[in-house]
Amino acid sequence: GQQVMQIPQYQHVQEGEDFTTYCNSSTTLSNIQWYKQRPGGHPVFLIQLVKSGEVKKQKRLTFQFGEAKKNSSLHITATQTTDVGTYFCAGRTDRGSTLGRLYFGRGTQLTVWP
Amino acid sequence: KAGVTQTPRYLIKTRGQQVTLSCSPISGHRSVSWYQQTPGQGLQFLFEYFSETQRNKGNFPGRFSGRQFSNSRSEMNVSTLELGDSALYLCASSYTAAAKNIQYFGAGTRLSVL
Repeated sequence: GQQVMQIPQYQHVQEGEDFTTYCNSSTTLSNIQWYKQRPGGHPVFLIQLVKSGEVKKQKRLTFQFGEAKKNSSLHITATQTTDVGTYFCAGRTDRGSTLGRLYFGRGTQLTVWP
Repeated sequence: KAGVTQTPRYLIKTRGQQVTLSCSPISGHRSVSWYQQTPGQGLQFLFEYFSETQRNKGNFPGRFSGRQFSNSRSEMNVSTLELGDSALYLCASSYTAAAKNIQYFGAGTRLSVL
């Protein structure tokens, strides 16, 4: 069935290093969203990508949506301790009985050492 | 505008009991989704309600049920609790059930089954 795979599951980096998490879907997505969950908190929306090949930036964060709309990535440049948390991608399909349902990846838990 | 409110925040139950969790969405939001979060399993989709109708359902046993009221508030019920039901249950609301809506999460209800 439809699922969104996300890797890696864990990432430990030294402060100042870069970080990337990847999402892949078995089917074409209508859009993809990214969320961040701080330790002890709840997921908070970061950004949404809709167009094939779309790239969006938020300060040190760069989000990409693949040309085939089946994969996406989040890249953080020069990580800071405030980046600690779990990053989830969530893809939404636009076909079939699961119209509009959001499929979450398992998340990448980022630890940043000072 | 008030955020998504989930009650109670914490629950301790014993095996075999049943539990009801409540979610009040952001004012004006008509879609409510429920997720189960356990370590290592990410966000597991339970169901989504829009205008009092269940639109999508995840792969959970029939012990998990939900409903949505005319004011968009939603409840989920778990009957005959099992140890494996211990988890953080998150509710998310969105304006509509359309393909491009953003999910706003509540703080969650942490359920412990003893």
